[in-house]
Amino acid sequence: KAGVTQTPRYLIKTRGQQVTLSCSPISGHRSVSWYQQTPGQGLQFLFEYFSETQRNKGNFPGRFSGRQFSNSRSEMNVSTLELGDSALYLCASSIEGIGGYTFGSGTRLTVV
Amino acid sequence: AQSVTQLDSQVPVFEEAPVELRCNYSSSVSVYLFWYVQYPNQGLQLLLKYLSGSTLVKGINGFEAEFNKSQTSFHLRKPSVHISDTAEYFCAVIEAGEYGNKLVFGAGTILRVKS
Repeated sequence: KAGVTQTPRYLIKTRGQQVTLSCSPISGHRSVSWYQQTPGQGLQFLFEYFSETQRNKGNFPGRFSGRQFSNSRSEMNVSTLELGDSALYLCASSIEGIGGYTFGSGTRLTVV
Repeated sequence: AQSVTQLDSQVPVFEEAPVELRCNYSSSVSVYLFWYVQYPNQGLQLLLKYLSGSTLVKGINGFEAEFNKSQTSFHLRKPSVHISDTAEYFCAVIEAGEYGNKLVFGAGTILRVKS
């Protein structure tokens, strides 16, 4: 059974650019969540998508957005990148809610 | 809102010694708790979870945790660690919202196993 796949693994972008990250969940999982991990702030929840609808959102500016497709694959987009957006972005999928979340290997974004 | 406190930022221990990584959570009616491990440049791997039932939970790689409602704790233990257990460990709790759930993580504990 394939795990959660995140692409790309590494990205280097320039301030002011935008970036799109991709996440393919485990087959049959309809919930996809995104988290940002930084040394200073730790692991913070960005948003969750379920059946193509954003169901929950963390405290991040509007520059951070996402979407989910009918096959449950999800993308997150960050516009007008800032140096502080440099982080490991992790995607997690679950069947529904509380049972448990499976994480991907993450995308390491560096903004220069 | 839920919160999680991991009481130690780093825990050094010698190989084959026992270890306990401490985690306290904010009290709630229903609590769902998790421990994840993260190796360098990797994502999070689930070690174990408590959803209900027995308060002693066994996980992968010989780890176990005990849910203590009166102490609001969920400490992770291993009786004998290996060099390969060196990693960062995160305790997490589900925060249930009106429209969906999310994981709230502690700050993490770096376990350093020395030979």
